Amino acid sequence: GQNIDQPTEMTATEGAIVQINCTYQTSGFNGLFWYQQHAGEAPTFLSYNVLDGLEEKGRFSSFLSRSKGYSYLLLKELQMKDSASYLCAVREGAGGFKTIFGAGTRLFVKA
Amino acid sequence: DADVTQTPRNRITKTGKRIMLECSQTKGHDRMYWYRQDPGLGLRLIYYSFDVKDINKGEISDGYSVSRQAQAKFSLSLESAIPNQTALYFCATAPQSSQETQYFGPGTRLLVL
Repeated sequence: GQNIDQPTEMTATEGAIVQINCTYQTSGFNGLFWYQQHAGEAPTFLSYNVLDGLEEKGRFSSFLSRSKGYSYLLLKELQMKDSASYLCAVREGAGGFKTIFGAGTRLFVKA
Repeated sequence: DADVTQTPRNRITKTGKRIMLECSQTKGHDRMYWYRQDPGLGLRLIYYSFDVKDINKGEISDGYSVSRQAQAKFSLSLESAIPNQTALYFCATAPQSSQETQYFGPGTRLLVL
């Protein structure tokens, strides 16, 4: 079946580093996405991994291990504006047609 | 101008009323999706469409219907709204490539009394 698990909430300090983990079980894996979503707003794309390894994009990095069904999002030099929900999403299907979303991790950044 | 727009942005209605939520896009994408989001449950797929003649049910399609009027337009209808359909609804579009992200509209907040 399909299942995506990520922590419900995390708290970190401004300037610090935080790692948000995501584990998944799915059939026909076709890539993993991370999105940022501020309260009441649309999700916005952060990163995409389809091969094992680390993808770095500025202050944000995302890691994937397909054999372990595991990914993490790493946020460096945290800023107050990083307070948001972070959604892990897995695309599945031969044509990559369906994306399954985790419930999201709400990150609170404190001064 | 926004690439994906939704109307209305907010709506309050009563149980039993028919409601239509509209989505338009200027990205030229063939694939369009409707999701609902509830606190603690993440985004759940209601319906999706790969082109004008293609409509597919998602994981929670009961109580909803859709219409793909054109490549750029995808509407979601609640034929007889009920309170547990109170949620935040998002439309999304995507290109054919499975390696590209979906692009989300701003959302419609629906309250059914």
